[in-house]
Amino acid sequence: ELKVEQNPLFLSMQEGKNYTIYCNYSTTSDRLYWYRQDPGKSLESLFVLLSNGAVKQEGRLMASLDTKARLSTLHITAAVHDLSATYFCAVDGGGSNYKLTFGKGTLLTVNP
Amino acid sequence: GAVVSQHPSWVICKSGTSVKIECRSLDFQATTMFWYRQFPKQSLMLMATSNEGSKATYEQGVEKDKFLINHASLTLSTLTVTSAHPEDSSFYICSARDIREAGANVLTFGAGSRLTVL
Repeated sequence: ELKVEQNPLFLSMQEGKNYTIYCNYSTTSDRLYWYRQDPGKSLESLFVLLSNGAVKQEGRLMASLDTKARLSTLHITAAVHDLSATYFCAVDGGGSNYKLTFGKGTLLTVNP
Repeated sequence: GAVVSQHPSWVICKSGTSVKIECRSLDFQATTMFWYRQFPKQSLMLMATSNEGSKATYEQGVEKDKFLINHASLTLSTLTVTSAHPEDSSFYICSARDIREAGANVLTFGAGSRLTVL
């Protein structure tokens, strides 16, 4: 059974600071996704990582994937209040049906 | 980009009634749609995989007779919560994969449907 662990689950940081969210998973996979969810809203796709060593950046967020370590990171640079949200990583367990297993999410609060 | 419309966005019903939630892909065709359930401040749990023209595949622990899924066309999947009870209150989210993007792996999520059973 595929398990996806995110940490930390809660993150409170000041504007301007940097931090990293970690996503570990238990079985081999080379398809990993990061999503953002605002309160009461659905999921917004942030990054799709499809190979070992993949790195993608969008604004103050950068995601990477190490399939050998079964680890993905979401790095936040110079955080701003607008980044406050819950961030989920999700892993595709393989096969052709694209079933995703989600981590528990990281609730990020960026304080002024 | 791909858009998935989910309706209703919120619904309140009495115990014992049935509620239908629709998930439509607006500008693409989807042979596969997924239904998730999310409790407050928790992660998404996959309930079932909806396959166009065939029976849905349910995850372990999900009652097939309780959560009826129909995927009658390439653009529409429905989830019916039958004989709803307060414990069925939750946020239900659907997602769809664009069949044109056979090699890609991007799922588009609907806006979600918040169900409250009184």
